Amino acid sequence: ETGVTQTPRHLVMGMTNKKSLKCEQHLGHNAMYWYKQSAKKPLELMFVYSLEERVENNSVPSRFSPECPNSSHLFLHLHTLQPEDSALYLCASSQVRRDTQYFGPGTRLTVL
Amino acid sequence: KQEVTQIPAALSVPEGENLVLNCSFTDSAIYNLQWFRQDPGKGLTSLLLIQSSQREQTSGRLNASLDKSSGRSTLYIAASQPGDSATYLCAVPSGGSYIPTFGRGTSLIVHP
Repeated sequence: ETGVTQTPRHLVMGMTNKKSLKCEQHLGHNAMYWYKQSAKKPLELMFVYSLEERVENNSVPSRFSPECPNSSHLFLHLHTLQPEDSALYLCASSQVRRDTQYFGPGTRLTVL
Repeated sequence: KQEVTQIPAALSVPEGENLVLNCSFTDSAIYNLQWFRQDPGKGLTSLLLIQSSQREQTSGRLNASLDKSSGRSTLYIAASQPGDSATYLCAVPSGGSYIPTFGRGTSLIVHP
């Protein structure tokens, strides 16, 4: 176990639904990340939350909305998604500027 | 903007061979370089982290080297085993940032 958990592990939703992905880290880290992994594309950073900053990838559509209520929890709120948003969504955590990133198992999202 | 290239994209070898996976990056002003392993449909597992001041790191049958000046890293896998079958990802931060940019990965299959 990596100490980073994600729920749900699988999600199927229609384009009009609203859902949320949850990530929790038990490693005492101070930075958390959301990544999108689509078939045949590099891992794409979506958002970063840390003590120092919040970073957004400007290419991420507004139908994805992150929330980080504290250093251990990270959410990704989803609304009116498109079929091309179907992908594996990965959460990671780290100590800022040190150490490696630790990844959760991912949520496999399918948008119908 | 950091660009990370991994060669080869795919590799299929018989068990027992020694392997070299390559990673190149365009911006050499980096904090570190990481190698990850990803099994199908799963999250990423950190294999080796090389700090910018280091030349190499070793863990068991894995050895990773870093040549910052030429923008290259190699991952050497000794005496490959079927259990090594996975996708291997190289991740390098953009200049001055701790946030990594990922390559597309090398998909490795080791046949018994």
